Amino acid sequence: GQNIDQPTEMTATEGAIVQINCTYQTSGFNGLFWYQQHAGEAPTFLSYNVLDGLEEKGRFSSFLSRSKGYSYLLLKELQMKDSASYLCAVRDLGSNDYKLSFGAGTTVTVRA
Amino acid sequence: GAVVSQHPSWVICKSGTSVKIECRSLDFQATTMFWYRQFPKQSLMLMATSNEGSKATYEQGVEKDKFLINHASLTLSTLTVTSAHPEDSSFYICSARSIGGGAGASEAFFGQGTRLTVV
Repeated sequence: GQNIDQPTEMTATEGAIVQINCTYQTSGFNGLFWYQQHAGEAPTFLSYNVLDGLEEKGRFSSFLSRSKGYSYLLLKELQMKDSASYLCAVRDLGSNDYKLSFGAGTTVTVRA
Repeated sequence: GAVVSQHPSWVICKSGTSVKIECRSLDFQATTMFWYRQFPKQSLMLMATSNEGSKATYEQGVEKDKFLINHASLTLSTLTVTSAHPEDSSFYICSARSIGGGAGASEAFFGQGTRLTVV
């Protein structure tokens, strides 16, 4: 099984930077995903890490350290529309297939 | 990214009736589709893994006779909530894995989700 932990809530000011941490425990790690989810909508894929290091995509970056079971999502130049829930998900080999397991999500509130 | 289409987006049904939700991969063939459920302010919980041409694999605690899954083709999987009750009201979401899909492939993308309300 997996144990995926991320903070429940974070608040930041428009234009600022916020870092959302995610720790996990798994036996057959095969990648870590970050998603953005607005209320009432399906999650939107943001990033994927399978090797250690930083992946940058515009204002969003994601980092992975497999040895530490740790990842973070970095949101730069925050905009009001970034207010959403951010989900960390780990893919690992279950009993017979790869599956995604999700953290509880971090609700980010961006204030003017 | 890969496109997964889910239908309907929302549905209201009477208690005791059945509801069918469709999940389609629009620009790729999916050997495997995943069905999730999300209750308000909670994360996604995997319900079952659907493989084309074979029986679905259900997660612990999910009733297979209540949540019928049919993966009849490489582009379509359906979830039928049978004899729905108010406690089945939830947000149901699917994702799909392409043939030969490796790390970071199509399974990263979700359908739009279906909001089910049972009254």
